[in-house]
Amino acid sequence: EPEVTQTPSHQVTQMGQEVILRCVPISNHLYFYWYRQILGQKVEFLVSFYNNEISEKSEIFDDQFSVERPDGSNFTLKIRSTKLEDSAMYFCASTGGSPTKNIQYFGAGTRLSVL
Amino acid sequence: SQQGEEDPQALSIQEGENATMNCSYKTSINNLQWYRQNSGRGLVHLILIRSNEREKHSGRLRVTLDTSKKSSSLLITASRAADTASYFCATDSGGATNKLIFGTGTLLAVQP
Repeated sequence: EPEVTQTPSHQVTQMGQEVILRCVPISNHLYFYWYRQILGQKVEFLVSFYNNEISEKSEIFDDQFSVERPDGSNFTLKIRSTKLEDSAMYFCASTGGSPTKNIQYFGAGTRLSVL
Repeated sequence: SQQGEEDPQALSIQEGENATMNCSYKTSINNLQWYRQNSGRGLVHLILIRSNEREKHSGRLRVTLDTSKKSSSLLITASRAADTASYFCATDSGGATNKLIFGTGTLLAVQP
């Protein structure tokens, strides 16, 4: 069964460093998302991406964050200068066109630890 | 903004018993979905119920939706130890973005 793949599974970085989290969505999907989950808290929406541009972003997704689809398969989340509070699980999700548009398939996540 | 709140926060049952988890939300929705998360792992989609549906079944799962009360329940019948996980409801309001708003989750522990 097709799945969303995320790498790395765990990323440790120093505060102030840039990190890039990588995702390979399901191949025929058109809509892509990033969510994050701080330990013990809710899963929170960060950003959605369609047709090579951001379609919506949350207030969490400030200027330190950016997303890119550099080629036909990868979808990346970049954090320019990490802060301690960026430590969380980051999930990538994708969904296809209607009628399955509404089911979002999630990757296993990248655990980001900012020291 | 929509917020999903689930109860109970934690539920411990014996294998073979049924588990019921509830979710409430605040604004109108297009769909409501339930996801499962094993400790430290990704989110696995379980079932989606549309706003014009009242009940849906999938294997041992039964989901109900009451849009007048803005609430949903997930019933897992004949639970197994492998059902131990966190369960989240997620709502979306449709539209071009279709972002999901997740609830706080119920941690289910099924004792063998």
